[in-house]
Amino acid sequence: SQTIHQWPATLVQPVGSPLSLECTVEGTSNPNLYWYRQAAGRGLQLLFYSVGIGQISSEVPQNLSASRPQDRQFILSSKKLLLSDSGFYLCAWSDGEPYRNEQFFGPGTRLTVL
Amino acid sequence: AQSVAQPEDQVNVAEGNPLTVKCTYSVSGNPYLFWYVQYPNRGLQFLLKYITGDNLVKGSYGFEAEFNKSQTSFHLKKPSALVSDSALYFCAVSSGSGGSYIPTFGRGTSLIVHP
Repeated sequence: SQTIHQWPATLVQPVGSPLSLECTVEGTSNPNLYWYRQAAGRGLQLLFYSVGIGQISSEVPQNLSASRPQDRQFILSSKKLLLSDSGFYLCAWSDGEPYRNEQFFGPGTRLTVL
Repeated sequence: AQSVAQPEDQVNVAEGNPLTVKCTYSVSGNPYLFWYVQYPNRGLQFLLKYITGDNLVKGSYGFEAEFNKSQTSFHLKKPSALVSDSALYFCAVSSGSGGSYIPTFGRGTSLIVHP
């Protein structure tokens, strides 16, 4: 069966520090991968998605970046965190066509920027 | 552009009563519709989806949803609510055409089931 891992589970970082969040998927090949941010426990904001290695699409211009160094690994990064980067970060995967297949979400990372 | 609206921020229902969580959408082309549930401090879990076929879709935990093309709606329903159904519910839509390749999520509806 497929599983998705995210780490760390929680993170407290000072403003201006770098960030690296990691997401890995097991039990599937060539998944579509997604990074979302959820603020204040409500709506999801799609940050990045990837349909293959080396293919990253950015939905929101900001100080975050994403990379996919391996087929089942998706990394969210920042060189300098802002207060507004605080939130709940969710990684998800799906297979096949993104528009017709459900997404499977990881447990999330709670990021607090102070 | 595609969009999805969940008009109620919160829905309150007594345990044992039927529940409905509303969702309306706008897409160009045929819609693909999804419902997810999120428990506190957890990731979202898939409940059900509509692609084509029967307008009534059955999903996990006794939930079902009805696709209504004329009203562009996809309301989530359950005949008898449980306290454990209390959570945040998200509707999502995509269509695979007109730039709707990745599903768009609604803002979520908080369901509170009272004992």
